[in-house]
Amino acid sequence: DIQMTQFPSSLSASVGDRVTITCRASQTINGFLNWYQLKPGKAPQLLIYAASSLHSGVPSRFSGSVSGTDFTLTISSLQPEDYATYYCQQSSDNPPLFTFGPGTKVDVK
Amino acid sequence: QVQLQESGPGLVKPSQTLSLTCTVSGGSVSSGGFHWYWIRHLPGKGLEWIGYISYSGNTHYSPSLGSRLSMSLDTSKNQFSLNMFAVTVADTAVYYCATGSSYSLSQDYWGQGTLVTVSS
Repeated sequence: DIQMTQFPSSLSASVGDRVTITCRASQTINGFLNWYQLKPGKAPQLLIYAASSLHSGVPSRFSGSVSGTDFTLTISSLQPEDYATYYCQQSSDNPPLFTFGPGTKVDVK
Repeated sequence: QVQLQESGPGLVKPSQTLSLTCTVSGGSVSSGGFHWYWIRHLPGKGLEWIGYISYSGNTHYSPSLGSRLSMSLDTSKNQFSLNMFAVTVADTAVYYCATGSSYSLSQDYWGQGTLVTVSS
């Protein structure tokens, strides 16, 4: 099975900071890597799909990139509404399997 | 924009069946090219994919949960449902329904989630 590691597990940042979160796959996953934002009591939100495509309506300060088996979510300038937990997800369709990373909590510095 | 809403009992006894329904608006569960997902958030832990049902009714379940699952579509009510059999306290979680393109394999839209507690 493909394992997803995510780091850091938590980070503290200030409004305006550049934030980077990395997700590493245990093997090649052909770019089917998604990023989600989760806030308590709210519906999770898709941010990035297929490693680097911005989901409709998501602010452009969010971006995704890939280098080998390392996938990165970047928030270019952290906003107050961005304090949340972020999860990466590997997805495949042969066989169907969706594996989440353990999450990164972004809180106030 | 598609909207989803989970419904079902908030408390289930151990060994019984957890049954949840997701009501869809702004889209159709029989629309081609979409998957209809169930995902849960375990307390103090992360997200876990439970399974999905396609617009045609084909189902795919997490290997770790598959023997205890059943999913179905109700096109007349524009709903899809989850049954999880023989639950234990370890199944206590917030359960989400979601949908997304079968091409991008992402969950583009989510319900708000519903807390299900397994306790006697």
